[in-house]
Amino acid sequence: KAGVTQTPRYLIKTRGQQVTLSCSPISGHRSVSWYQQTPGQGLQFLFEYFSETQRNKGNFPGRFSGRQFSNSRSEMNVSTLELGDSALYLCASSRQGQLATNEKLFFGSGTQLSVL
Amino acid sequence: AQKVTQAQTEISVVEKEDVTLDCVYETRDTTYYLFWYKQPPSGELVFLIRRNSFDEQNEISGRYSWNFQKSTSSFNFTITASQVVDSAVYFCALSEARGNTDKLIFGTGTRLQVFP
Repeated sequence: KAGVTQTPRYLIKTRGQQVTLSCSPISGHRSVSWYQQTPGQGLQFLFEYFSETQRNKGNFPGRFSGRQFSNSRSEMNVSTLELGDSALYLCASSRQGQLATNEKLFFGSGTQLSVL
Repeated sequence: AQKVTQAQTEISVVEKEDVTLDCVYETRDTTYYLFWYKQPPSGELVFLIRRNSFDEQNEISGRYSWNFQKSTSSFNFTITASQVVDSAVYFCALSEARGNTDKLIFGTGTRLQVFP
């Protein structure tokens, strides 16, 4: 069974540009979450999608957005990139997105974004 | 506010030594879930264990063991007879029991280096 797949693995952009990252969850998983990992702030929750709807959102500016498609694949977009957006962006999936039901989050290897 | 503290930034041991990674959490919820993840250099977060707040039984899995103490809000992780392959960053995480969303609050991680 394939794990969570994130593309691309590495990305280099310049300030002001926008970027789109992609995440394919484990087959059968309908919940997809995104996390940002930086040396200074650690791992921070961005948002979570289930059945094409955003159910939860972290404390990030509106430049960070996402969406989920009918096949549960998800994309996140960052517009008007800033130097501080350089980070490892991790995607995680689970079946229903309900940790209360003994679910686990499975993570991908991430997309390393560098903003120059 | 919910918070996870991993006071040990980095630990270095020699192979075959036992090592304990500390995790202290804060939450107002009476029901919550605790996790440990391992992040090898590849970047992917690998799930190690999940513990429900109403289950204080300690767990052992091979060389890994976890000590959950609600009285001190701690969920410590011990590796017995460490190996070089155990070298990674380890994260402790806390989830909110809000019903229908996956959101983890991570500690800042402990980098474990095991030398041969």
